[in-house]
Amino acid sequence: GESVGLHLPTLSVQEGDNSIINCAYSNSASDYFIWYKQESGKGPQFIIDIRSNMDKRQGQRVTVLLNKTVKHLSLQIAATQPGDSAVYFCAEKKGNDMRFGAGTRLTVKP
Amino acid sequence: DADVTQTPRNRITKTGKRIMLECSQTKGHDRMYWYRQDPGLGLQLIYYSFDVKDINKGEISDGYSVSRQAQAKFSLSLESAIPNQTALYFCATSDGTAAGETQYFGPGTRLLVL
Repeated sequence: GESVGLHLPTLSVQEGDNSIINCAYSNSASDYFIWYKQESGKGPQFIIDIRSNMDKRQGQRVTVLLNKTVKHLSLQIAATQPGDSAVYFCAEKKGNDMRFGAGTRLTVKP
Repeated sequence: DADVTQTPRNRITKTGKRIMLECSQTKGHDRMYWYRQDPGLGLQLIYYSFDVKDINKGEISDGYSVSRQAQAKFSLSLESAIPNQTALYFCATSDGTAAGETQYFGPGTRLLVL
């Protein structure tokens, strides 16, 4: 899950396995959520989003799950590939206020 | 994302110097943002602009100023740089519609203040 501090949570998976990255968001009134991927030396890249009136949304190889009861967001990556290695972070938005988590570092072992 | 460009990509400066970071976008978005990223922390909003005549402070605006020269250009200035402004700086854009809340980021500027 997410944390604040110098050391990011890490997740190490074997190539081909599924990955699940978690995020605990802070504002129960947030109505829009985004997952970003940030590779080393690059800017954050949009992966998938979900609105608060949904609890699941699927993209290509990725699924986002939203549990508003416990303010929890997860990103599932199917058949993880070496190119998926990056830092993944969630963002929550209410009105014009968007807040970002610190991220989780995903490492994919060949 | 090549649609959002930042210059310079890397910069080393000395305490007390004034520097400017520039951002340009070809996405045609009205909204632009400046963030800083520190190791192990989430992005923090410095300033944002919803159109050319609109400038708003973010959560950490002290020591920074911005200029929205055109819809496509948004620059960030450090009036008198200090070492704790050493960070990775990102520009982002969004189109501001209900369906366009996603922000698209530039490649970042790595700034080192000595």
